[in-house]
Amino acid sequence: DQQVKQNSPSLSVQEGRISILNCDYTNSMFDYFLWYKKYPAEGPTFLISISSIKDKNEDGRFTVFLNKSAKHLSLHIVPSQPGDSAVYFCAARYTGTASKLTFGTGTRLQVML
Amino acid sequence: GAVVSQHPSRVICKSGTSVKIECRSLDFQATTMFWYRQFPKQSLMLMATSNEGSKATYEQGVEKDKFLINHASLTLSTLTVTSAHPEDSSFYICSAPPRAGQGYTFGSGTRLTVV
Repeated sequence: DQQVKQNSPSLSVQEGRISILNCDYTNSMFDYFLWYKKYPAEGPTFLISISSIKDKNEDGRFTVFLNKSAKHLSLHIVPSQPGDSAVYFCAARYTGTASKLTFGTGTRLQVML
Repeated sequence: GAVVSQHPSRVICKSGTSVKIECRSLDFQATTMFWYRQFPKQSLMLMATSNEGSKATYEQGVEKDKFLINHASLTLSTLTVTSAHPEDSSFYICSAPPRAGQGYTFGSGTRLTVV
């Protein structure tokens, strides 16, 4: 039962353009969402998060949008840079689960020169 | 910032042997540690939660006798893969839960290969 899904396994974007990574969830109890960047054989690196009481959070080149009614969130990276090439995971948690995170399936982003 | 040191980073073992993976919180005390497993090109799946001073909590479908988790102190949590088999080959990652002003802190992961 995959409660957090990233339906696009891969995405290619030209350098300087916008990258949009999508994430859908099914559990309406989730109240906090995070995005991580991950390289092979390394631990995830935190990028940005959003609480369910907000619909947008911005940090530099990264912006996360949350649509609670659609149970959908997206990560926008603009402008995209070659160093952004990695696998991106969205993750979710809800109060009462001892802070356990449920991860999505991941999207491999490749930013081309 | 908070650091979780995970060792070893890579281990190759023979089928039937046991392997221990350690995660240490270097500059903070962690009463809880999450253990994840990631198969190639798949998501990070939570295996269990270790609790200092008490038994670990395992997720559904995870064999408790195969994946022994111990939280011996406020700075050390270990995962032992017992009687390892090739299907246990995976990437194992630990994570400390967020503290005030801090996010989740992940270890660097352990690539286990069972031959």
